[in-house]
Amino acid sequence: DAKTTQPPSMDCAEGRAANLPCNHSTISGNEYVYWYRQIHSQGPQYIIHGLKNNETNEMASLIITEDRKSSTLILPHATLRDTAVYYCIAVLNTDKLIFGTGTRLQVFP
Amino acid sequence: EAGVTQFPSHSVIEKGQTVTLRCDPISGHDNLYWYRRVMGKEIKFLLHFVKESKQDESGMPNNRFLAERTGGTYSTLKVQPAELEDSGVYFCASSQEWLAEDTQYFGPGTRLTVL
Repeated sequence: DAKTTQPPSMDCAEGRAANLPCNHSTISGNEYVYWYRQIHSQGPQYIIHGLKNNETNEMASLIITEDRKSSTLILPHATLRDTAVYYCIAVLNTDKLIFGTGTRLQVFP
Repeated sequence: EAGVTQFPSHSVIEKGQTVTLRCDPISGHDNLYWYRRVMGKEIKFLLHFVKESKQDESGMPNNRFLAERTGGTYSTLKVQPAELEDSGVYFCASSQEWLAEDTQYFGPGTRLTVL
């Protein structure tokens, strides 16, 4: 599976959009990009995933560059409850999620 | 729909003792996974069941760990004998299909402390 690179931490003001970047320059054509988050003391929570096209659901939007070497997770209106560690994971038809260190997002009032 | 449940939520045992963790997946999910996070480390995959069969146990650290899923429903993870380095949070997840077809839904985890 491709390795992903994320900034270790980010801050965001409550009510503003949080844009979390992820680099996956070695991603192959069949690898999906998955985003999970872990809120303190809880299990990881699925957010969204995509292959080539941009995706949107009730939680977030995923923007994947045309060359697929990077992507951005967008939380359109961050709340204090969005404070968590966000993981970007490249997945190729595998049974396991390989978690990196993720980005610690702190949403402040 | 009930999510993935894990029992107990916390367990404190002494080195050398045995502990059994239980995971109940989402009903109808054939795929069940175990992960763990030991102190200061990243979340690591342990193994994957498809129904009652072990599909991938490449992440199991050593033979002190035994996972079972009799009948293809709930799963247990036994640590015997427990060592200090086994302390951490053990997560269970389940999915209907394999990844890239589906997502894994995680339970709240079991926090294991070995003294």
